[in-house]
Amino acid sequence: KQEVTQIPAALSVPEGENLVLNCSFTDSAIYNLQWFRQDPGKGLTSLLLIQSSQREQTSGRLNASLDKSSGRSTLYIAASQPGDSATYLCAVGNTPLVFGKGTRLSVIA
Amino acid sequence: EADIYQTPRYLVIGTGKKITLECSQTMGHDKMYWYQQDPGMELHLIHYSYGVNSTEKGDLSSESTVSRIRTEHFPLTLESARPSHTSQYLCASSDNVDPYEQYFGPGTRLTVT
Repeated sequence: KQEVTQIPAALSVPEGENLVLNCSFTDSAIYNLQWFRQDPGKGLTSLLLIQSSQREQTSGRLNASLDKSSGRSTLYIAASQPGDSATYLCAVGNTPLVFGKGTRLSVIA
Repeated sequence: EADIYQTPRYLVIGTGKKITLECSQTMGHDKMYWYQQDPGMELHLIHYSYGVNSTEKGDLSSESTVSRIRTEHFPLTLESARPSHTSQYLCASSDNVDPYEQYFGPGTRLTVT
């Protein structure tokens, strides 16, 4: 059974810092990996999707990488801002998606 | 841009009432999902559907039921609400073709008194 782990569970950084969120999964037979953002009491917003044949995807200050063979993905956030404060969830594409528990990020002004 | 809608957004209801949470999408997606999430906690898949007349239970046992009579509509029903059902309910759907991106609705926050 696929298991997804996100480390750290919580992270607090000063504004402007670059940071990395980690996601690991146990079964490499996936068809994609998605990173989501969730603000308190809200739904999930898709940030980046990496197909199984890809190594990375970029959107603005966000860069996500995927290493299927080692069962790892990272989400890199450059020049963090207070507006980046949210919970970030990693989900691996089996059917249905399997979610990690998330990393709660606080960016302090 | 994903078009997936949930109503109501907030609901406060008394114990024993029957409730239906609505979810609809206009993207023609075959696959739809319901998740339950307590505040600050992880997502739990409670139901999913891969098309009309197809429904499956998810990882978390739930007293709710679902139906899928039309592609665009995936309602969730609680026959008799209890305080333990107080939670946020999130609906999602995913693309029919690779890379099968998944999109979420805004959620329904349910409080049972």
